[in-house]
Amino acid sequence: DAGVTQSPTHLIKTRGQQVTLRCSPKSGHDTVSWYQQALGQGPQFIFQYYEEEERQRGNFPDRFSGHQFPNYSSELNVNALLLGDSALYLCASSLTGLEKLFFGSGTQLSVL
Amino acid sequence: DAKTTQPNSMESNEEEPVHLPCNHSTISGTDYIHWYRQLPSQGPEYVIHGLTSNVNNRMASLAIAEDRKSSTLILHRATLRDAAVYYCILRDLTFSSGSARQLTFGSGTQLTVLP
Repeated sequence: DAGVTQSPTHLIKTRGQQVTLRCSPKSGHDTVSWYQQALGQGPQFIFQYYEEEERQRGNFPDRFSGHQFPNYSSELNVNALLLGDSALYLCASSLTGLEKLFFGSGTQLSVL
Repeated sequence: DAKTTQPNSMESNEEEPVHLPCNHSTISGTDYIHWYRQLPSQGPEYVIHGLTSNVNNRMASLAIAEDRKSSTLILHRATLRDAAVYYCILRDLTFSSGSARQLTFGSGTQLTVLP
């Protein structure tokens, strides 16, 4: 049983560009959350998707948007990239009603 | 979510027990205590969670103070593979179907295991 898979593993972009990160949840999971982790810090919640809708959002600007597909996979889009967007982006999946989250290994985004 | 306080770093010798403390003096009655750990170059990994009673699983034990204002994650025999950042997180149980139940991470405790 594959766990949470994220692609790509690494990505280099320049300021002002747009980026799309992808996540496939663990088999049977219906909820996907995205987190941003800056170097040396704990992950910060971006938003969560359930039933193809954004259910809750953290303190991130509208440049960060997402989508969940009928097969529960998800995308994170970031527009107008800033140097400060350089971070590890983590996807986590869970099954509604259960406490445990499963995380992928993340996408390391570098903005030059 | 209520806040937790953890030491920035701890060291342990291999094959010895490790006690990782967490203070959460503002915990509410519906807050579960969760522990996740993050190994180098990986995403966080669930370790254990509990509400009031002590909990055991194959990875660790969780000891919760009677007043619930503090807890301790216990690794019974540390191995080199246990070197990681350990996060103590409070998570409110209150939810309705489909609503988000995010995790609020702090800075965690960096555990170093010495051979």
